[in-house]
This record gives sequence, C-alpha cells and structure tokens, in this order.
Amino acid sequence: AQSVTQLGSHVSVSEGALVLLRCNYSSSVPPYLFWYVQYPNQGLQLLLKYTSAATLVKGINGFEAEFKKSETSFHLTKPSAHMSDAAEYFCAVSDRSNTGKLIFGQGTTLQVKP
Amino acid sequence: EAQVTQNPRYLITVTGKKLTVTCSQNMNHEYMSWYRQDPGLGLRQIYYSMNVEVTDKGDVPEGYKVSRKEKRNFPLILESPSPNQTSLYFCASSVSSGQGYEQYFGPGTRLTVT
Repeated sequence: AQSVTQLGSHVSVSEGALVLLRCNYSSSVPPYLFWYVQYPNQGLQLLLKYTSAATLVKGINGFEAEFKKSETSFHLTKPSAHMSDAAEYFCAVSDRSNTGKLIFGQGTTLQVKP
Repeated sequence: EAQVTQNPRYLITVTGKKLTVTCSQNMNHEYMSWYRQDPGLGLRQIYYSMNVEVTDKGDVPEGYKVSRKEKRNFPLILESPSPNQTSLYFCASSVSSGQGYEQYFGPGTRLTVT
C-alpha cells in the first residue's frame, strides 16, 4: 500500500533562511507526487506536482521539490523564507487504485520568525 | 472565478441532529471527493464520485452519506452526527479521477458535534 511520511510536524526558520520540508513516500511503482499548502482558515492550494517528467519540479511562490527515486523522497525547498510562507504543508501521492484518492502525509507546520 | 464552495464554513451541532454540508464546483469537473482533516492524521478520504450518480466509499465512510444528482454538487450528509465526527471537512474536485490530476479544494467546513 502506498503511504507518505512527512518528517517533522513543526519546522521553524528565520526570515531569509532556507526552507526544507521533508517527504518520503512508499510506492511499488513510479508515483505521482504533490505538495499542497494550507494557509490559516483556507483550503489546500497546489504548490507543485511531479508526474514523471523532470525530477526537479518548480512550483509557485519560489518553491521547488526534487524527486529522488533512490531515496524515495520528494522534499520541498525554498531558498529564502518569507513571513507569508507560514502555513501548513502537505505532501501527497496519487493512489494507484483509480479512486482518484490522494494519500496525504501528516502535514508540517512552517513557522517563519522575523 | 474557478472555485469550489462549501457551506456552512462553521457548524456547531448536537449529537444525533441530521446535517448536510453542501459542496459546489463551477469547473465542470467529473470527479469530486470529500476528505476530513484531523491533527496528526493529514487528510483522509470519506467518499468520492466519478460522475453523476456514481459514488463510492473512501477510507473512512462510516457515519456519512453522499449523493451526486448534478455534476456541480456533491453534498455530505451526516444522518446522526457523533462527537467523533468533529473535524475539518474539505470538498475537492478534479477534471478526472486519473492519477496526476490536480484536485481543487474548497475552503473547508469546521464541524463541532457536542
């Protein structure tokens, strides 16, 4: 069965510092992977997705993620954190059972300190 | 503007009092889904619908019902709510149930059952 693990439920960085949010997946076949962001009192918004094209995926708001098959990872990065990046981030994988379901990680709350 | 809307956004109710959370999308999407979000668990799928009159159970369907009489609407029904259904609920829609398609999320409905 597919699964997603996000390492660290809370990550705190200073404004201007590198953001690194970790995501590892378990899948027996090449996966489709997503990162979503949830701002307070809002729904989830797609940051970026990997669908087996380029392994380095660029998304909105300066975020990017690299698919590493050997490490079964899809970590999210941003070179310089901004206060507006404070939110909860979810990594997800498309379920292979054709239900359309996304399997989500537990989420990581990013705090950005001034 | 392309969007998924949910109503109500906040709801406090008592055990056993039937309620309906509405979901509507204006993107002519075939696929719609309901998730619940609980701390430390990420989002879990409740029900999904491939198209009009086609619905099926997700991972946590107990205590919920859905219907899909029109393409744009996918209401979530709690016939007899219980406190363990206190959660944050999200409706999502997508062009297709196929893998790799982005899901668009509504703003969420925070339900409290006392």
